[in-house]
Amino acid sequence: GAGVSQSPRYKVAKRGQDVALRCDPISGHVSLFWYQQALGQGPEFLTYFQNEAQLDKSGLPSDRFFAERPEGSVSTLKIQRTQQEDSAVYLCASSLGPRQGQYFGPGTRLTVT
Amino acid sequence: DQQVKQNSPSLSVQEGRISILNCDYTNSMFDYFLWYKKYPAEGPTFLISISSIKDKNEDGRFTVFLNKSAKHLSLHIVPSQPGDSAVYFCAASAPGGGSQGNLIFGKGTKLSVKP
Repeated sequence: GAGVSQSPRYKVAKRGQDVALRCDPISGHVSLFWYQQALGQGPEFLTYFQNEAQLDKSGLPSDRFFAERPEGSVSTLKIQRTQQEDSAVYLCASSLGPRQGQYFGPGTRLTVT
Repeated sequence: DQQVKQNSPSLSVQEGRISILNCDYTNSMFDYFLWYKKYPAEGPTFLISISSIKDKNEDGRFTVFLNKSAKHLSLHIVPSQPGDSAVYFCAASAPGGGSQGNLIFGKGTKLSVKP
């Protein structure tokens, strides 16, 4: 497809489980961002990749959160030992380059029970 | 402390009238501002943007106004249509540093356009 895709769309995890969320950006987009959106809030920045390099991970809430983009295209956000406060929608966005318009995927809704 | 504020959680307007959504920011380093529209169960969709070197940008029914001295921007939709009903997010970014354009979002304003 032409847009950003994310999978799974919905994920239910028991507290303590590890989860992996996938993002397929628009082909050719150099920049890739992950955001976390809690209920009733705007998206909050987690991390940024330029090609395969993770240039900013200042928004990751704890060391349980880990993101990678090994070949500069698909990215995975991994959350280890999930906690209830991790429940949110995780959004991926890509753009042609830094400071260009960002195109968002539909998000993955994570519910930790 | 929120750097981008949308103080109206919701707004209701009649079809055909003007919708005005407001946004305030505190960080004077922000130089690029965007509006996104979001339907339920979908990701935000880019609507319109403005650079700090301009004070107005227009695209069809959508116009964004930027008042740098007041640190305020607004989105005008004229005429409003029922399909415009969605949550609208204001976002901003600052140059430089490692952030490379990550966006700071407001909490959103839910717009309802009634037929």
